[in-house]
Amino acid sequence: DTAVSQTPKYLVTQMGNDKSIKCEQNLGHDTMYWYKQDSKKFLKIMFSYNNKELIINETVPNRFSPKSPDKAHLNLHINSLELGDSAVYFCASSQGYGRVSGNTIYFGEGSWLTVV
Amino acid sequence: DAKTTQPNSMESNEEEPVHLPCNHSTISGTDYIHWYRQLPSQGPEYVIHGLTSNVNNRMASLAIAEDRKSSTLILHRATLRDAAVYYCILRSGNTPLVFGKGTRLSVIA
Repeated sequence: DTAVSQTPKYLVTQMGNDKSIKCEQNLGHDTMYWYKQDSKKFLKIMFSYNNKELIINETVPNRFSPKSPDKAHLNLHINSLELGDSAVYFCASSQGYGRVSGNTIYFGEGSWLTVV
Repeated sequence: DAKTTQPNSMESNEEEPVHLPCNHSTISGTDYIHWYRQLPSQGPEYVIHGLTSNVNNRMASLAIAEDRKSSTLILHRATLRDAAVYYCILRSGNTPLVFGKGTRLSVIA
């Protein structure tokens, strides 16, 4: 079983459309993340949720709206897609937010978004 | 966030050991040293982490300098499947990972 799964894996869409990427983890973790990897291959944190509550929002445009219906899911909805939103989006999860520890973060395989 | 410095790229022959260096001179006492790698077209995956002592697991070894200002990831026998970008990351608590540019490791058959 895949620990962190994202759908869709590939998405091609036109500018101005609204799209969602879904993420589910079956690890029982209480913290989930969205990362963006652009064409230059830099991986940047976008959001972090702990127990369904937003913890970190790294100055992401408000066209991006994460939704966490429960601890196992963190979906990413993007409104009015722009060319610059083309990237690979990675969902991730970990356990135990706030503890001083070396907790491992588990990543999904990524969702390749292309805006045309 | 504390910063790390890694070489942009390294090359290794298959079945030889690889030593990937990382400098983190501004490391704080609560920072763990994490290593992740990203294989082509995949998400990052955990490799190893440590605080002060050297660490070994089935994937690699982590050697941490006594002053903790540098560390080295050791792959004991590189395989073609180890070709990836390796990220050395300092992390305090359960904060999100902050990725740098990493080291692109090429493995030659």
